[in-house]
Amino acid sequence: NAGVMQNPRHLVRRRGQEARLRCSPMKGHSHVYWYRQLPEEGLKFMVYLQKENIIDESGMPKERFSAEFPKEGPSILRIQQVVRGDSAAYFCASSPNIGETQYFGPGTRLLVL
Amino acid sequence: ILNVEQSPQSLHVQEGDSTNFTCSFPSSNFYALHWYRWETAKSPEALFVMTLNGDEKKKGRISATLNTKEGYSYLYIKGSQPEDSATYLCASRDSSGNTPLVFGKGTRLSVIA
Repeated sequence: NAGVMQNPRHLVRRRGQEARLRCSPMKGHSHVYWYRQLPEEGLKFMVYLQKENIIDESGMPKERFSAEFPKEGPSILRIQQVVRGDSAAYFCASSPNIGETQYFGPGTRLLVL
Repeated sequence: ILNVEQSPQSLHVQEGDSTNFTCSFPSSNFYALHWYRWETAKSPEALFVMTLNGDEKKKGRISATLNTKEGYSYLYIKGSQPEDSATYLCASRDSSGNTPLVFGKGTRLSVIA
């Protein structure tokens, strides 16, 4: 059973470009969570999704950030018009049900030049 | 808003020493407490999930206890080894609706050989 997959593992963007991060949850998991780790800080919750629905996006900036988890395919975290402050590691996790153990992917390290 | 606190922020111990650190969470509407281990350049890995007051879980030299009435959990490491060096995260969830886990900032443990 493959674990949580994230790609790309590393992403370099120039200011103003778009960053698209993908997350494939573990097989059988329909709950996906995105977290951001800023340098020297812990994990910050961004958004929680189930298939085709955003359940909680209270941790996600209102502008430039969006997330989706379509019926088919991976969950996508999209950052439009990236700025240097968006440079961080973005982790995705999945669980079979809300509140159960979350299994983390390897993360995508975004660097904005 | 659920607030999870961990202390100390960082800890240095000698190889062979035993150590422990604390996770504090609101005791009202408690649902579950999770411990994760996060090694540098990797992704967080689940250690324990605890739900009942007085729960005690053990995995090798690592164990954890839970007090839901006073809102704290301890993580113990017996005979620390260099490979135990990691950030230990706790996360709590309350019972109010579709709330995901809320993570503390972690305790960064360094074991010196």
